[in-house]
Amino acid sequence: AQSVTQPDIHITVSEGASLELRCNYSYGATPYLFWYVQSPGQGLQLLLKYFSGDTLVQGIKGFEAEFKRSQSSFNLRKPSVHWSDAAEYFCAVGPSGYSTLTFGKGTMLLVSP
Amino acid sequence: AAGVIQSPRHLIKEKRETATLKCYPIPRHDTVYWYQQGPGQDPQFLISFYEKMQSDKGSIPDRFSAQQFSDYHSELNMSSLELGDSALYFCASSLKSNSYNEQFFGPGTRLTVL
Repeated sequence: AQSVTQPDIHITVSEGASLELRCNYSYGATPYLFWYVQSPGQGLQLLLKYFSGDTLVQGIKGFEAEFKRSQSSFNLRKPSVHWSDAAEYFCAVGPSGYSTLTFGKGTMLLVSP
Repeated sequence: AAGVIQSPRHLIKEKRETATLKCYPIPRHDTVYWYQQGPGQDPQFLISFYEKMQSDKGSIPDRFSAQQFSDYHSELNMSSLELGDSALYFCASSLKSNSYNEQFFGPGTRLTVL
């Protein structure tokens, strides 16, 4: 069965500092990987996705993620965090084709002035 | 661009009452998914439909049922509500011919059971 682990429940980053959110997945074949962001009380917004090809993918709002098959990881990065980035971030995995997504438990990002 | 629409956005019910949540997928999307997100939890898959037929089933209680209609909108019916049903319910839609499984999420319906 597929699973996703986000080892950090909370992360605090100073505004302007770089950010890396960790995501490890378990899946038998090449997975389709996603990062979603959720502001308090809001829906899930897709930041970026990986299907195949270049292992470094660019997303919206200046985010990027790198797929590392050898480490079963798909970490999210941003070079300079803005206060508006404070939110909860979910990593998700899904097999190819139409199917359900399995989410990690989420990482809450706090941005300090 | 049109997005997934969910209604109502907020719903307050008493224990043992029933609730109906509606989801209108992105135009031309043929697949609908329902997820439940409890307080402080990650979204959990409940059920999905493709072309009006149930296609996958997750951790959906027997008290819940859902269907997809001819216009592709979907409704999640919840009966005998319990306090533990209080959660944010997301609907997502996708196009099955899009083999990349990209699901687009609605804003969610926040259900509070008192």
